[in-house]
Order: sequence, then C-alpha cells, then structure tokens
Amino acid sequence: EVQLVESGGGLFQPGGSLRLSCVGSGFTFSSYWMHWVRQAPGMGLVWVSRINTDGTYTGYADSVKGRFTISRDNAKNTLYLQVNSLRAEDTAMYYCARDLSGTIDNWGQGTLVTVSS
Amino acid sequence: QSALTQPASVSGSPGQSITISCTGTSSDVGSYNLVSWYQQHLGKAPKVMIYDGSKRPSGVSNRFSGSKSGNTASLTISGLQAEDEADYYCCSYAGSNWVFGGGTKLTVL
Repeated sequence: EVQLVESGGGLFQPGGSLRLSCVGSGFTFSSYWMHWVRQAPGMGLVWVSRINTDGTYTGYADSVKGRFTISRDNAKNTLYLQVNSLRAEDTAMYYCARDLSGTIDNWGQGTLVTVSS
Repeated sequence: QSALTQPASVSGSPGQSITISCTGTSSDVGSYNLVSWYQQHLGKAPKVMIYDGSKRPSGVSNRFSGSKSGNTASLTISGLQAEDEADYYCCSYAGSNWVFGGGTKLTVL
C-alpha cells in the first residue's frame, strides 16, 4: 500500500522559515516524480511544486517562485519543501503527492502550516 | 496559471445523475489528455476518481465517468448516493506545471 506521511507543520512567525518533509513507503520512491499541493482553510487545492526522479528538474507555481524550494533524498525516501520569508497567505494544509505519468495519484494526509504573529 | 473554472455547487437527489464541468484553455485542458478529478470529503485528503480524462483507477465505482471536449472537461456521477456528497476538483497538466479548478461542492438532497 502506498503511504505518504508529511511532517514539519506548526505555528510560524511571518518572515520565518520552515522545512516540510514527506516520507514515502509501499512503492519505489526513487522512480516517481513528486508534488506539493496546498489548501488554505476553507479554500481549494493549489498546485505548488514538482520534482523529477533524481531531483535535477523542478518547477514551481508563480506565486511561490523564489521563496519555495523542493528537493528529495531518495536514500531516505523523503521529499522536502523549504519555505522562506513566510507570509500569512502561506497558511494552509500542505499535501505531498505522487505523480503517475502526469497524474497526481496518491496523496498524504497533509501537514498544517499556520503563519501568524 | 489561472485556475480552471468549475461551478461552485451542484446538487441532485439520490439515484439521479449530475455533471460537473471544468473549463480551461488551449494551454491546459485543450492541449493535454491529462485531466484528473478528485473527491475530497471534509477534513480528508483528496482521492483521484478519474485520470487521463476518462480512466477510472481500480476500486473507483463505475458510476463515475469523465470526458473532454475542446477546452472543457466533465465529470458525471450517475446513480447518486449519499456518500458522494463531497467537494470535487479537476486538475490539468499545463506544460510545465499543473493547475486545479476552484472546486465544486456536491450536495445530495
């Protein structure tokens, strides 16, 4: 069974930084592209970023370019999202998800990030 | 990277059929056969119901079907059941990124 477990969320101050992690199991992690998707409270899903299998190719939504960095450690079956210069509008549930030939197929349960002073 | 356009809400009675539309552009829905649909119950993670426009993952009821015409994709749910009440999102590949619709709240009356 495919499992994705996110961690690293919590309460953060504006202007601060955080790193989210996502551990994958039940599949060959290194063979799949991976995504981060976020959902602000009461709002819809928003695609954030994706990374290819070996981490050499990344992409970001325009709204987060320059502040977010996606990366992965295939030896640890772990996906990361580094977020700098935190803003109130970054408050959201952050989901990691697996890509299957261009489809975001399996999702984690999410980790909640709250940015507030 | 504008969001795909979905109706905010749809409703239907048990046993009826409903269709949710998802309108994009020639840069996303119209150019790629990579449209997926997700069901999200309150407080839960999304679940893929349709991928590649019209394919159903194993385990998803055949009451769910997808189609696409031009820049618009559609999700049809037939034989509505109470458990279908949820939020539904479409998603399309858009060349170097992915874009979601704003979501549709389905109410089963």
